[in-house]
Amino acid sequence: DAGITQSPRHKVTETGTPVTLRCHQTENHRYMYWYRQDPGHGLRLIHYSYGVKDTDKGEVSDGYSVSRSKTEDFLLTLESATSSQTSVYFCAISDRRGNQPQHFGDGTRLSIL
Amino acid sequence: AQKVTQAQTEISVVEKEDVTLDCVYETRDTTYYLFWYKQPPSGELVFLIRRNSFDEQNEISGRYSWNFQKSTSSFNFTITASQVVDSAVYFCALSEREYGNKLVFGAGTILRVKS
Repeated sequence: DAGITQSPRHKVTETGTPVTLRCHQTENHRYMYWYRQDPGHGLRLIHYSYGVKDTDKGEVSDGYSVSRSKTEDFLLTLESATSSQTSVYFCAISDRRGNQPQHFGDGTRLSIL
Repeated sequence: AQKVTQAQTEISVVEKEDVTLDCVYETRDTTYYLFWYKQPPSGELVFLIRRNSFDEQNEISGRYSWNFQKSTSSFNFTITASQVVDSAVYFCALSEREYGNKLVFGAGTILRVKS
């Protein structure tokens, strides 16, 4: 299995609070991604990174920011959480563009009350 | 714009039945990649197969087979002699060369295999 660790695995917090999710990889892969999974939508890309300090927006980036200061870590931050951001968040990694499959972490279940 | 449609929201079969999961995609790129992932009840996402747009050969892996047809923009997945352990959510996904390796997922198909 790809060495991907997401933390925390579960979190419950209140509307308006900041939340940071961490993705840590041991594979030295260049590309890292954050997705959210919601019923009826499959997985949707929030942000991705193609190198240290190189990030770009995905399909549903509003309300989220990311940072990547080291190859192995990719952080997702909700500056002021809203109930619509209650979801399961997955991190993924891949070592090349295009045709390489992404390998996913085990997910973080985030509930915002 | 890229889009993936999995029209079957949920399928229920009895063990040992064959089942086909449909996937239809839209893309304007000539170079693209198609994927299937499995999400068992435990929640992790498991990569099953990758296919590039230049390779229309069907693939078989044990009880799993995939039928890729560019003419109908479809990449269907068949499980032969289904088993209870096949119960999961199955996602089809697409990435286009023009947009790097960003995956667009279908909504998923829930497969329930009953004993």
